[in-house]
Amino acid sequence: IQLTQSPSSLSTSVGDRVTITCRASQGISGFLAWYQQKPGKAPKLLIYAASTLQSGVPPRFSGSGSGTDFTLTISSLQPEDFATYYCQQVNSHPYTFGQGTKLEIK
Amino acid sequence: QVQLQQSGPGLVKPSQTLSLTCAISGDSVSTNSAAWNWVRQSPSRGLEWLGRTYYRSRWYDDYAESLKGRITITPDTSKNQISLHLNSVTPDDTAVYYCAREFLGRGFDSWGQGTLVTGSS
Repeated sequence: IQLTQSPSSLSTSVGDRVTITCRASQGISGFLAWYQQKPGKAPKLLIYAASTLQSGVPPRFSGSGSGTDFTLTISSLQPEDFATYYCQQVNSHPYTFGQGTKLEIK
Repeated sequence: QVQLQQSGPGLVKPSQTLSLTCAISGDSVSTNSAAWNWVRQSPSRGLEWLGRTYYRSRWYDDYAESLKGRITITPDTSKNQISLHLNSVTPDDTAVYYCAREFLGRGFDSWGQGTLVTGSS
């Protein structure tokens, strides 16, 4: 199953509302996770089951979608949110990741 | 709190075997609630799932199709850890390798610190 994220990169500012999309090549129900990765660090799980916030993740992060189309939204971007974001389908093996969306400071 | 601590060499000669270990604390490798995965990341391939091992009354494993025949992931219950072995390494296997826990099918909620492995002489 291929995952296509858009955009690949985004120049944004603190306080902006940001939406990242992830499209699956076939239906995956709600079996989608979102990760945040900062340089030199491992990915961090933000959201699982498309819309459930992982414990400890700030509520400005939210996820939605089902089937083939999913979104990750950051309601008000904070300085620590500038990072690369990945989606991952956990519907069927082999689990696959999107190519990533890099948030950069405008 | 689950912690995963990786160890292993950062340089592997072509045609030799890459071996990494992931020591688990805060959970058991034999738990029925998780699977233990290896993932790698490179600029050319992005994040690539390699395989996993898990226990459900007996041990199971799954591997990426592209690596079948070269990869083995094994649990060690006495040390509460998993190991990755990838043989016949080429420069194309150069990547940062991560171990990660998949908990109840919710994605990978705990990750090792990553190990940069370079396939070069």
